[in-house]
Amino acid sequence: DVVLTQTPPTLSATIGQSVSISCRSSQSLLHSNGNTYLHWLLQRPGQSPQLLIYLVSRLESGVPNRFSGSGSGTDFTLKISGVEAEDLGVYYCVQGTHAPWTFGGGTKLELK
Amino acid sequence: QVKLLQSGAALVKPGASVKMSCKASGYTFTDYWVSWVKQSHGKSLEWIGEIYPNSGATNFNEKFKGKATLTVDKSTSTAYMELSRLTSEDSAIYYCTSGFAYWGQGTLVTVSS
Repeated sequence: DVVLTQTPPTLSATIGQSVSISCRSSQSLLHSNGNTYLHWLLQRPGQSPQLLIYLVSRLESGVPNRFSGSGSGTDFTLKISGVEAEDLGVYYCVQGTHAPWTFGGGTKLELK
Repeated sequence: QVKLLQSGAALVKPGASVKMSCKASGYTFTDYWVSWVKQSHGKSLEWIGEIYPNSGATNFNEKFKGKATLTVDKSTSTAYMELSRLTSEDSAIYYCTSGFAYWGQGTLVTVSS
């Protein structure tokens, strides 16, 4: 199975600070069809996960553009340009290139 | 808008089975795979498997083969997951999701005597 390693496991930030989360895969997530099925989710406390970014860098409808995704192959990054209070929670990367689909261990974003 | 409405929490005894539901609305249910995801307390997410409502085709994480059974009722746009031979390790929140874009609110399963 593909292992997704997220760093850091915990991130402390002040409002307005820009932060980045890394997701590294144990194998390339480039599918034979040319797509890279690496997505980012946010799970706020007590809520279901929500999709933020899909296919590495595409912003899900309704998601603020302070969120951005980048990367290729095995290394991916989620960046938040100016953290807001509503961004607190646990961020997960998830891959849908190689079955079974797998999730990273999560990065908890806290207020400093 | 798209909604996935899951059944309520369940308290079940060890060795028993539980069946939970996920009712879809706001989109063409038969056109998209529905996945089920497990989240043990305070932990990350695990993909259990998926079902294509139009055909009933399924794919499973090997870890959950024999544990989970996935079915659908196209007439009511509802997906079901049954978990069998429950142990304390099965206590978790279970989510249904369509393409990771839409998620149900989760069903809490507690296995206890």
